[in-house]
Amino acid sequence: DAGVIQSPRHEVTEMGQEVTLRCKPISGHNSLFWYRQTMMRGLELLIYFNNNVPIDDSGMPEDRFSAKMPNASFSTLKIQPSEPRDSAVYFCASSPNEKLFFGSGTQLSVL
Amino acid sequence: GDSVTQMEGPVTLSEEAFLTINCTYTATGYPSLFWYVQYPGEGLQLLLKATKADDKGSNKGFEATYRKETTSFHLEKGSVQVSDSAVYFCALSDRRGAGGFKTIFGAGTRLFVKA
Repeated sequence: DAGVIQSPRHEVTEMGQEVTLRCKPISGHNSLFWYRQTMMRGLELLIYFNNNVPIDDSGMPEDRFSAKMPNASFSTLKIQPSEPRDSAVYFCASSPNEKLFFGSGTQLSVL
Repeated sequence: GDSVTQMEGPVTLSEEAFLTINCTYTATGYPSLFWYVQYPGEGLQLLLKATKADDKGSNKGFEATYRKETTSFHLEKGSVQVSDSAVYFCALSDRRGAGGFKTIFGAGTRLFVKA
């Protein structure tokens, strides 16, 4: 099994640009999570899906952030427009139950 | 809402020293508790878990006991190695009915082990 696959691994963009982060969960896992990691705030839960349905998006910081899961094998996290304070590592994780399996993350830098 | 609080780091120890990283939680239900570890440049990996009160999770010499009375899940290891240097996260997972499990994490504690 290839594990949770995130792309891109690194993203550098300019303020105001749209950014799309992608995640392919492990096959058979019915839950998918998006987290953001920063030095200041640690690991924050942004949103999670169960059976492709968004269950809790209370951690999404503002309307600039949106997430979709069109099918069981793909999810996106979009930031539009991006701002320098969005710079962080964004992790996707999938789970068949309570145990989370993390991807390697996307390092986002907004200049 | 649910929350996890763990001791601030960094924690610096010499090889073979005893390790304790404190973790306490607040939750409305009966969560499962976890410790995850993150090595540089990688995502988090599950280290150990406990699903109910008085359960002890253990793995690779690390242990933690689910203490409901003190709402704690402290991580311990009797003799650390340089290879244990990493960031350790305490987490809780609470069932949301048909909505699966919601997992939240503490801020993480960085551990440095010197040779």
